[in-house]
Amino acid sequence: AQKVTQAQTEISVVEKEDVTLDCVYETRDTTYYLFWYKQPPSGELVFLIRRNSFDEQNEISGRYSWNFQKSTSSFNFTITASQVVDSAVYFCALSGINTGTASKLTFGTGTRLQVTL
Amino acid sequence: DSGVTQTPKHLITATGQRVTLRCSPRSGDLSVYWYQQSLDQGLQFLIQYYNGEERAKGNILERFSAQQFPDLHSELNLSSLELGDSALYFCASSVGLGVTGELFFGEGSRLTVL
Repeated sequence: AQKVTQAQTEISVVEKEDVTLDCVYETRDTTYYLFWYKQPPSGELVFLIRRNSFDEQNEISGRYSWNFQKSTSSFNFTITASQVVDSAVYFCALSGINTGTASKLTFGTGTRLQVTL
Repeated sequence: DSGVTQTPKHLITATGQRVTLRCSPRSGDLSVYWYQQSLDQGLQFLIQYYNGEERAKGNILERFSAQQFPDLHSELNLSSLELGDSALYFCASSVGLGVTGELFFGEGSRLTVL
């Protein structure tokens, strides 16, 4: 079975602070895909990034960066110089390639990020 | 805008009733997925259809059913509704069979059962 754990339920930061959202996953698949989604107060799910299990290079996109460490089964997400518009719930998710895991995203419980002025 | 359209956006109904949620996938996407987001269960996969056929089932109740039509739009039918069915129901679509790339989500249908 697949599992995604986001231990941080809620994080509050002041604008311009850096913040890291943790994600730990469990899977028996040797090939798998990791995702981060953002859910702003309006409710939609916005795709942020996808990573496959063979690519452990860190990725940076503007103020966002992701640290994938297969050895610790973690896929952490850092927002640099946070802004009020970053306030949202962030979900980490996992999919595999085998029967039962390929057809769905397994989501973590989400981390609510509150950025204040 | 993800390109996935869901209607209605909001729905209020009573226990015991039946509702139908509709989803139009992105142009060219053959897979449609339904997810339920509730406070106690989080985001849970319900069911997937690919090109009209059911491909995978998750934690979908027997009172719920879905189908995908020849034009690829999908409907999720929820019957004998209970208070606990109140949730945000998302539809998502992708080109292929599996979730190896980006899954595009609609804005969701918020169901309230009173």
